[in-house]
Amino acid sequence: AQKVTQAQTEISVVEKEDVTLDCVYETRDTTYYLFWYKQPPSGELVFLIRRNSFDEQNEISGRYSWNFQKSTSSFNFTITASQVVDSAVYFCALSEGNYGQNFVFGPGTRLSVLP
Amino acid sequence: DGGITQSPKYLFRKEGQNVTLSCEQNLNHDAMYWYRQDPGQGLRLIYYSQIVNDFQKGDIAEGYSVSREKKESFPLTVTSAQKNPTAFYLCASSIDRQGRNTEAFFGQGTRLTVV
Repeated sequence: AQKVTQAQTEISVVEKEDVTLDCVYETRDTTYYLFWYKQPPSGELVFLIRRNSFDEQNEISGRYSWNFQKSTSSFNFTITASQVVDSAVYFCALSEGNYGQNFVFGPGTRLSVLP
Repeated sequence: DGGITQSPKYLFRKEGQNVTLSCEQNLNHDAMYWYRQDPGQGLRLIYYSQIVNDFQKGDIAEGYSVSREKKESFPLTVTSAQKNPTAFYLCASSIDRQGRNTEAFFGQGTRLTVV
């Protein structure tokens, strides 16, 4: 069965600090996809990144970076030089198989960036 | 613009009433999903549909019903059998015509409150 764990329930940082959000997943499939979403106070989930199981390259997009390690089943998300606008709940998600017919979400990490 | 539209944004239900939440997408996605989110919690899957006229129960389907008569539409009915329906409901869709795995796109959500 697939499962996603986000051990950090809440994190608070001061603006301009770097912060890493952890995500650990479980799956029996060799083909799977991992995602990160941001949920601001408005409620809508905003897609941030998708990574497939065959691509372990780390990715950087502006202040965001992702570290995918199959050996530890982890897909961690780092925000560099955090800003108040980064305050939100962040979800890690997993879908299995070539067509990813179902998404399983972690419980989320609430990030508060203080000015 | 392409996207997912959920309506209404806020919905109030009296005890014993059935209510229907609307979800429409113009992304030509095959798969659609309904998730429930309780305060401070992650997303839990209620139902999902991979193609028209077919849908599958998720983890918490009891007290809910869906239909998928059109590709664009996936309405969710919260029945009187759902004993604790107050929550935030999110609709999503995924997978394009080529069947490639894609991220799930989310609507803005419907906040349902029992009065």
